[in-house]
Amino acid sequence: GAVVSQHPSRVICKSGTSVKIECRSLDFQATTMFWYRQFPKQSLMLMATSNEGSKATYEQGVEKDKFLINHASLTLSTLTVTSAHPEDSSFYICSATGQGHWRSPLHFGNGTRLTVT
Amino acid sequence: AQSVTQPDIHITVSEGASLELRCNYSYGATPYLFWYVQSPGQGLQLLLKYFSGDTLVQGIKGFEAEFKRSQSSFNLRKPSVHWSDAAEYFCAVGFTGNQFYFGTGTSLTVIP
Repeated sequence: GAVVSQHPSRVICKSGTSVKIECRSLDFQATTMFWYRQFPKQSLMLMATSNEGSKATYEQGVEKDKFLINHASLTLSTLTVTSAHPEDSSFYICSATGQGHWRSPLHFGNGTRLTVT
Repeated sequence: AQSVTQPDIHITVSEGASLELRCNYSYGATPYLFWYVQSPGQGLQLLLKYFSGDTLVQGIKGFEAEFKRSQSSFNLRKPSVHWSDAAEYFCAVGFTGNQFYFGTGTSLTVIP
């Protein structure tokens, strides 16, 4: 089945530094990728939707200058947390869909646990 | 605005008992409906989905869900819960334009 690889699975960084998270579709062309954030014991919050070759669409309240999303190819999207602060510590998950499969975005990465110290 | 509601934050059931997790949505048309399970520290796994047709949907691990248009609900059920079912369950809805939102989740505890 389709696989989405997310890397790294865990990252610890110092406050003020930037962290890049990669999301790759391994066996299909991901025309659309979604980035979610999950706080402890809470639901997933959609942060942004990115279509290949286009600027990402951010949800209300999500700082686009802080959470930079790039979707330059059909198999790779990256989320960069810029100037990270402790409040950015969270679990980030990506999801990818291929052409015509937007109704069934069942391909999730395993998530990245970000800890900012 | 579209919304997804899971009224129960936490549910505890005995092993072998039946289970029902509630999900309600608010949307002008019928969305595409999903249930996901998340085990501790893990990603998400799709249990089942509803697009159209038969309103009773069978999924993996013995789960099923029923779409009720009149109640805007998509409740998840399992006749007999196993200890390994303890996890976080998320209802999700998909709308046109690649919009996809999750409910707040229901944490399931299974007691022996």
